[in-house]
Amino acid sequence: DGGITQSPKYLFRKEGQNVTLSCEQNLNHDAMYWYRQDPGQGLRLIYYSQIVNDFQKGDIAEGYSVSREKKESFPLTVTSAQKNPTAFYLCASRTGGNEQFFGPGTRLTVL
Amino acid sequence: SQELEQSPQSLIVQEGKNLTINCTSSKTLYGLYWYKQKYGEGLIFLMMLQKGGEEKSHEKITAKLDEKKQQSSLHITASQPSHAGIYLCGADTADFNKFYFGSGTKLNVKP
Repeated sequence: DGGITQSPKYLFRKEGQNVTLSCEQNLNHDAMYWYRQDPGQGLRLIYYSQIVNDFQKGDIAEGYSVSREKKESFPLTVTSAQKNPTAFYLCASRTGGNEQFFGPGTRLTVL
Repeated sequence: SQELEQSPQSLIVQEGKNLTINCTSSKTLYGLYWYKQKYGEGLIFLMMLQKGGEEKSHEKITAKLDEKKQQSSLHITASQPSHAGIYLCGADTADFNKFYFGSGTKLNVKP
């Protein structure tokens, strides 16, 4: 089955800790995206990548980092520099100008 | 940056009633996408509109694109409880690299 997966579904982080959210797709899509969603709000773009080994900052990249070493994988690290990381994180992929396919999301909570 | 404004922010309708959600862009639309989200889940793609005047339908949901007004509307006919959720519009930017979302419309359908 082709699709996009995210893990874990729930993640808890202590103050000052870095955590990494996984995103994997087997759709052979070139582009991948990370979004953050806060309660009652839409999605805000954190980082995106059009090809392997290349990625660009979105509108709210501060406190986050990504890598794109493989076409199918685009992990997001939430660093201790991100002061308010509690949110729902969504990963997506697309090819060309077609629609984005979304993963099920990871809910991150700071303890 | 591109901004997408959705209205209304929330909507409660009686089952069987029709409703319309609007999405207005501050910049030229190169591609307008409608998604639906259940709380705590990923986004499900509904429809994509690219040309002015374009109209698409899927089951009881119809979306239109008014390019001159930089606006799209999503119309649900004879709403059902299964239509409940958050509806988000999204748009491509001129270089088709970044992607922006509106803040969403929360729909509740009362049986």
